[in-house]
Amino acid sequence: KAGVTQTPRYLIKTRGQQVTLSCSPISGHRSVSWYQQTPGQGLQFLFEYFSETQRNKGNFPGRFSGRQFSNSRSEMNVSTLELGDSALYLCASETGTGGSMGYTFGSGTRLTVV
Amino acid sequence: GQNIDQPTEMTATEGAIVQINCTYQTSGFNGLFWYQQHAGEAPTFLSYNVLDGLEEKGRFSSFLSRSKGYSYLLLKELQMKDSASYLCAARTAGNKLTFGGGTRVLVKP
Repeated sequence: KAGVTQTPRYLIKTRGQQVTLSCSPISGHRSVSWYQQTPGQGLQFLFEYFSETQRNKGNFPGRFSGRQFSNSRSEMNVSTLELGDSALYLCASETGTGGSMGYTFGSGTRLTVV
Repeated sequence: GQNIDQPTEMTATEGAIVQINCTYQTSGFNGLFWYQQHAGEAPTFLSYNVLDGLEEKGRFSSFLSRSKGYSYLLLKELQMKDSASYLCAARTAGNKLTFGGGTRVLVKP
């Protein structure tokens, strides 16, 4: 079956701009989580969506937001970009029932803010 | 709060065994995952423990002690391709994963 697809793979944005990242989960998976990965902080949880509702949220400022559509595809938006937002953004897909197979990650979107 | 600790880096020789330890302090614990991540790639699932004990999958084994808040990943018969970062992650209430900083394993010939 197809894996988790994230687009775009790479992005360069300027400080103050906003950006939207997309994630298509594995077919049949209803949960999509987003993570930020940086060399200094590692992988940090942003939020999780399940059946179009945000089910869980990490400790990120309100500039980071997301949504999920009826086909389970999810988007993440970052407004008023800061240099510190440069990171690899990973989304992870899961059935939503907390099973033992865990999460399947996409290849990520590498965002560079200049 | 949630806290996951694992060593930053380990080096081992091809064919040897390496054990990566992970200690965690979390609320609403609901399972411990190990992921492998090669540089520039997505993390890939290795193992999941929710009950105490050892789970073996080929060259990789993972152990969990819930009472001690402790897990380890054992890599046997190391191969060069095992050079990667290994991420320990605890699942907590609400299907959230909290990750440790990752352990970079370098396998030398």
